Amino acid sequence: EAQVTQNPRYLITVTGKKLTVTCSQNMNHEYMSWYRQDPGLGLRQIYYSMNVEVTDKGDVPEGYKVSRKEKRNFPLILESPSPNQTSLYFCASTLTGASNQPQHFGDGTRLSIL
Amino acid sequence: QKEVEQDPGPLSVPEGAIVSLNCTYSNSAFQYFMWYRQYSRKGPELLMYTYSSGNKEDGRFTAQVDKSSKYISLFIRDSQPSDSATYLCAMTYNTNAGKSTFGDGTTLTVKP
Repeated sequence: EAQVTQNPRYLITVTGKKLTVTCSQNMNHEYMSWYRQDPGLGLRQIYYSMNVEVTDKGDVPEGYKVSRKEKRNFPLILESPSPNQTSLYFCASTLTGASNQPQHFGDGTRLSIL
Repeated sequence: QKEVEQDPGPLSVPEGAIVSLNCTYSNSAFQYFMWYRQYSRKGPELLMYTYSSGNKEDGRFTAQVDKSSKYISLFIRDSQPSDSATYLCAMTYNTNAGKSTFGDGTTLTVKP
């Protein structure tokens, strides 16, 4: 089954404790991205990757890091999480970065930073 | 001002009703228009995708795009309780950046 898998689904942690949210897709997609979803602000892109070792900032990259060492994996790293990063996070992938292609989303990771 | 504004809702309708969900946008450079459906505790999934102005129909769903007015709509005919979800409009430029700009979403409840 074609899917985007995120882990963990839920995490409660404390300010400053480094965390990583993993994302894996099994569709051999080149393009992957991370979004955060907040009430009243919708889905906002954090980082995206056009292919292995190619990443770039989205609209709200501050406080986040990403890496793309393998095509299937695109982890999101919060080096020093803060309460304003409490949010619902989604990883998404498309076959390429072409604008006419729909994105396939994971089921989300709900992060609470205390 | 946001690039994409979506009717906020929430919307509650009886089963069988016709539902209209709407978004406006400010940037005429948007070329591709999509509607995603998001069930509770799930990620968004693509429902409809259009490129040009006009209507596109898929079963009970019709997507409408009016580029001259910068207005898009999603119509659901004969709505069912299983249609209860949050609907997100999304738009992209004609580039390879792959990024979509999303509306905030409209939550729809269809009551039996």
